Amino acid sequence: SSELTQDPGVSVALGQTVRITCQGDSLRSYYANWYQQKPGQAPILVIYGKRNRPSGIPDRFSGSSSGNTASLTITGAQAEDEADYFCDSRDSSGNRVFGGGTKVTVL
Amino acid sequence: QVQLQQWGAGLLKPSETLSLTCTVSGGSLSGYYWTWIRQPPGKGLEWIGEINHSGNTKYNPSLKSRVTISVDASKNQFSLKLRSVTAADTAVYYCARGTLNGGNSVFWFDPWGQGTLVTVSS
Repeated sequence: SSELTQDPGVSVALGQTVRITCQGDSLRSYYANWYQQKPGQAPILVIYGKRNRPSGIPDRFSGSSSGNTASLTITGAQAEDEADYFCDSRDSSGNRVFGGGTKVTVL
Repeated sequence: QVQLQQWGAGLLKPSETLSLTCTVSGGSLSGYYWTWIRQPPGKGLEWIGEINHSGNTKYNPSLKSRVTISVDASKNQFSLKLRSVTAADTAVYYCARGTLNGGNSVFWFDPWGQGTLVTVSS
């Protein structure tokens, strides 16, 4: 199995930039994806395959990856970006794994 | 645009079987991995397992002995059964579509169903 590690929480001032990271050995072989989840709602995909954005996702969301770490950057954070963010990938057996999630607070 | 609508019983007693169904509208089951994911209250996401349109399944090793995921292509639906539930199975359960691309190195979940809160309590 594989684990993906995320910081529990981070805060960012309105309009500033925040980077969320996801670490795990499987990220050396497989890309991570990122999901945004607001309270009481289902997660939505914001970045897939390292840096691709689904249609409808603002371009202030971007992804990157290096070694065993994947990152999600929000450039110019807005109040509506306050949410939990989860990364996911897969392990060597093809099992899907999620990170523990990062709560982003916009001040 | 593909949409997933899920339903099933929301309150179970210990030892009962959880049963949920997800209907796929606006698209075909072919070529994707139809997945169940759960989230205990206040906690993170846990992958339960998946099935493709041909019926090939893959399960989380920690749940494999109790889980069955099935597909009904004629109804564009897939289902989850989790046997012998306990309080630890209390969670919001989501169905989702998994897409594999990029030469097997990219796999993502989109879209997701609305979620069903399943509570296990005596």
